[in-house]
Amino acid sequence: NAGVTQTPKFQVLKTGQSMTLQCAQDMNHEYMSWYRQDPGMGLRLIHYSVGAGITDQGEVPNGYNVSRSTTEDFPLRLLSAAPSQTSVYFCASGQGANYEQYFGPGTRLTVT
Amino acid sequence: QQQVKQSPQSLIVQKGGISIINCAYENTAFDYFPWYQQFPGKGPALLIAIRPDVSEKKEGRFTISFNKSAKQFSLHIMDSQPGDSATYFCAASPASGGGADGLTFGKGTHLIIQP
Repeated sequence: NAGVTQTPKFQVLKTGQSMTLQCAQDMNHEYMSWYRQDPGMGLRLIHYSVGAGITDQGEVPNGYNVSRSTTEDFPLRLLSAAPSQTSVYFCASGQGANYEQYFGPGTRLTVT
Repeated sequence: QQQVKQSPQSLIVQKGGISIINCAYENTAFDYFPWYQQFPGKGPALLIAIRPDVSEKKEGRFTISFNKSAKQFSLHIMDSQPGDSATYFCAASPASGGGADGLTFGKGTHLIIQP
C-alpha cells in the first residue's frame, strides 16, 4: 500500500494563478481532509469529506475548493492564488474524523 | 479562537530524562485526543491517542494523562532519546455532529533531546 500520496511536492505560483493539489489514498478510507501548516500555527483544517460526493468546510476554507468524486481522490483547488496561501499543505485520510489520520508527505507551495 | 492551547513552544531535555508537553482545550464536544509526531520534511504521524473514558494511556515510553474536569491533557516521554527530537502536536476532535469534522491542532512543541 502506498498510503496517502500527494503531488506535486513543491510548487511556485504567481499571484492570481490557479492550480490543483492532488491527493490520493489506497486504504479505502471514507474520511479525507486537507490541512495547511504555517510556522507557529500548527495545522489548520481547510476542507474535509466524509465520503464520495460529500464535502464540507473546515476552519480556513476561503480561497480553496474541493470535490470528492471517488473514494480514493480528494483534490484541492486554489482558484486565484494569493501570497497568504504560501504554506505547506497536507492531505490526510482515516476511518473517520476521530480515528487515526494518515498524512501524506505534503506539498510546499510558494505564491509570489 | 484557538481551541487547543499547547505549551511549551520549545523544549530541551537531556537524554534519559522525561519530556512533558501540555495541552488545554475549550470545546467540551471534543472526545478524541491524539498526539502527532512530525520530523522535518515529513507529514505528521500518530504517536498515541486517548478518549475521555480513561485518565491515562501508556504505549511504551509514551504516556497520555487526561484530566476531563480541567480540560487538559499531556504527553510524557520517558527515557527520552535523541531520536525523539521532533515537533509534537496535540489535537482534538469532536464527536460526530459536534462541529467541523476534523482535528483541531495545537501550535506544536519543538523537542530537542541532547545526547
